Amino acid sequence: KNEVEQSPQNLTAQEGEFITINCSYSVGISALHWLQQHPGGGIVSLFMLSSGKKKHGRLIATINIQEKHSSLHITASHPRDSAVYICAVTDNFGNEKLTFGTGTRLTIIP
Amino acid sequence: SQTIHQWPATLVQPVGSPLSLECTVEGTSNPNLYWYRQAAGRGLQLLFYSVGIGQISSEVPQNLSASRPQDRQFILSSKKLLLSDSGFYLCALAVSTDTQYFGPGTRLTVL
Repeated sequence: KNEVEQSPQNLTAQEGEFITINCSYSVGISALHWLQQHPGGGIVSLFMLSSGKKKHGRLIATINIQEKHSSLHITASHPRDSAVYICAVTDNFGNEKLTFGTGTRLTIIP
Repeated sequence: SQTIHQWPATLVQPVGSPLSLECTVEGTSNPNLYWYRQAAGRGLQLLFYSVGIGQISSEVPQNLSASRPQDRQFILSSKKLLLSDSGFYLCALAVSTDTQYFGPGTRLTVL
């Protein structure tokens, strides 16, 4: 079993729909990251969470430490949001190594 | 601000040939540096990390090695490439638990 599980693996939605991507982890963590990977491979860090909720534009990320679960939401989705979204965690050993989920491929149709 | 440079951006190499991928960083001192690989159709996996010059930790047994000859330079190498070494290689740095930066990546194809 992977330490970081994401669902769904693939998601196709119409422009304007509300999107939710889920991430569950099984290890103790110091932080959880949501990353966006574009078709060329480049990765952008969207959020780092250790508790609660963060919002940036149309993106919202939440984390429930007790349940070991995080969600990434996209409101008013747009075709330019199409990308692979990756959940990653840093363990609590202080070396900031990332363990990644397998990613969710999101496609927004105009 | 921190910047990560990787080269080359793409590379096609024959099986059995050597490999050297370079990562250099700017805008920070004594960062933790990481090499990750994303094989085709798979998630990212940590290969090596370094907390300082000459200090390398390997996460998975493999055909690759890493070196950190300078504070801001991290090199990924192989003496003889395998087909299974194909993938997308990312260099990353961390200056704290809540700050991770990723390089542009190198796409390696081994034929």
